Amino acid sequence: DTAVSQTPKYLVTQMGNDKSIKCEQNLGHDTMYWYKQDSKKFLKIMFSYNNKELIINETVPNRFSPKSPDKAHLNLHINSLELGDSAVYFCASSQPQGSSGYTFGSGTRLTVV
Amino acid sequence: GQSLEQPSEVTAVEGAIVQINCTYQTSGFYGLSWYQQHDGGAPTFLSYNGLDGLEETGRFSSFLSRSDSYGYLLLQELQMKDSASYFCAVRDKGNNRLAFGKGNQVVVIP
Repeated sequence: DTAVSQTPKYLVTQMGNDKSIKCEQNLGHDTMYWYKQDSKKFLKIMFSYNNKELIINETVPNRFSPKSPDKAHLNLHINSLELGDSAVYFCASSQPQGSSGYTFGSGTRLTVV
Repeated sequence: GQSLEQPSEVTAVEGAIVQINCTYQTSGFYGLSWYQQHDGGAPTFLSYNGLDGLEETGRFSSFLSRSDSYGYLLLQELQMKDSASYFCAVRDKGNNRLAFGKGNQVVVIP
């Protein structure tokens, strides 16, 4: 299946822990993204990578660090998790053309307790 | 920067027509897109307007007026499966960033 796949789907962890979310796309897209969706469903971009190069880094605490080992993978590592980090994190990919839509992964619901 | 405004919720009966409006503000406009998201699911791409006018895809149509910084998504012949949140999103030419509006929840009732 051609898709964007991210793991895990659910993540429950204690405050202060470090966790990672993995994302892979087999669509051949050049650009990958991380979005955060809060409880009010607002989708906010966090990071964007184009061919392994960071091109967008929104105002995100530096506890969040993306890593792109190749253009098909974009992982997100979060250090010292806080309660406010609880949200759904979506990975997405696209081609650069404006007309091409983003393909989103199924999301990772992170709950920090 | 970018900002988008969308109203929040609408309830409609099966078979009805719903129009979801979106006004935007951006420094480098590169198209208006629409996404659908069911509860617990991922956003899925519905349509894209790069130029003024109407784009039709089956029961859904999307319109853009660049001079008014305005667009809408028209959902026709509503079905129960159309109950979802609908987001408009503006792409920025400079960095290819896609900024989403706050979304509009559509609830379809029998």
